[in-house]
Formats: sequence, C-alpha cells, structure tokens
Amino acid sequence: DQQVKQNSPSLSVQEGRISILNCDYTNSMFDYFLWYKKYPAEGPTFLISISSIKDKNEDGRFTVFLNKSAKHLSLHIVPSQPGDSAVYFCAASASGTYKYIFGTGTRLKVLA
Amino acid sequence: NAGVTQTPKFQVLKTGQSMTLQCAQDMNHNSMYWYRQDPGMGLRLIYYSASEGTTDKGEVPNGYNVSRLNKREFSLRLESAAPSQTSVYFCASRSGTGIYEQYFGPGTRLTVT
Repeated sequence: DQQVKQNSPSLSVQEGRISILNCDYTNSMFDYFLWYKKYPAEGPTFLISISSIKDKNEDGRFTVFLNKSAKHLSLHIVPSQPGDSAVYFCAASASGTYKYIFGTGTRLKVLA
Repeated sequence: NAGVTQTPKFQVLKTGQSMTLQCAQDMNHNSMYWYRQDPGMGLRLIYYSASEGTTDKGEVPNGYNVSRLNKREFSLRLESAAPSQTSVYFCASRSGTGIYEQYFGPGTRLTVT
C-alpha cells in the first residue's frame, strides 16, 4: 500500500522552461509535505515544504502547491536550470508522529 | 559543522555476516532516522529515534536493530546479513517538534553476496 505516489519516474524539460513534478497521497492524516532533491552518490537535501493549512509555498524558483481535496501536491521549478537535474522525492508526515513516507522519486533532466 | 556523517561509505558482506553502520550528527538534533533506498522503491524508513533514549520501528524493520547511543549517535546493526539487505542506507536527523525538515548523511552502499 503506497501512501505517497510519484507516478512519473522521469521528466525532461528544456532549460528556461517550467518543470512540474507531481505527487499524490492517500492518507488524510498527512498534514506536512516536503520535497527533497537528490544527486547521485549524495544524500537527499531538503528543498521546500508546505503545511496543510496552506495551499502554496514559494521559495525563489521553487513553488509547491497543495490540493487537499485531491490529495495532490506539485513542485514547480521556474525557470529550470541544468543544475536542477536530479531525482526529486516528495515526502509526507502527520503531526504528532515522527515518521515520514517518501514517494519513489522523479528523475528530472533539464536539457541545455 | 559536518552535519550528518555516516561510516563506512561502502561495505561488502557475505551472507550471514554482521556489521554496524554508524551515524553521527553535530546539529544538536533530537530525532534521528535510518532509511534504505532501493531502485524504484524510494526511501523506506527502517527505524527512528524521536529523542534520546527512544527507538521505534519504521516500515521495514525486520533484520535490523538500532541503538541511540547518545544524542549525537544512532547506529544500525545487521546481525545476519542477507542479499535482500543490499541497498543504500541513509541516516537523517531532525531538529524537533514542529520542525519537519530532515538532514541526510551521504549514505552507505552495502552489498551482501
């Protein structure tokens, strides 16, 4: 039972365009969502997060949108840069727990 | 600050051998975690320690044990390694309640033959 799903294993985008990465979840107890970026042979690094009391959070080129009714979140990267090429994981957590459930990741390739 | 450090970086074990993966953080974080990453499976939580002195099972705890040695250190032990435990293992830490971001170590690549 996969509670957090990233249905697109890979995505290619031209440099300067928008990258949109999607994530769906099934557990309505999740109320905090995070995106991590991972380069090969390195650990994941935190990118951006959103609480369920918001529907949007922005940090520079990165924006996360949350649609609670659809149990869907997305990460927008504008403009995309070659250095953004990495695997992106979404993760979800419920208040009062210390557990995180991660999606399977989306490999983003930004073409120069 | 070194952040989260893990040793060793690489390890090859034979089936049935035991080993301990070490993790330390210097950020004074309360919570620590062990994950494994397998192709197509994302990151799966093995064990976590919400605070010093406590440990709890995650999604895939079978075949592993953990020790929260002190606030800084959280080790993962494989008592009798199996080929199914071939994976990349990541340790992570988190500051505390209300702060959700985790900081990850560089990983340990383990192969069990």
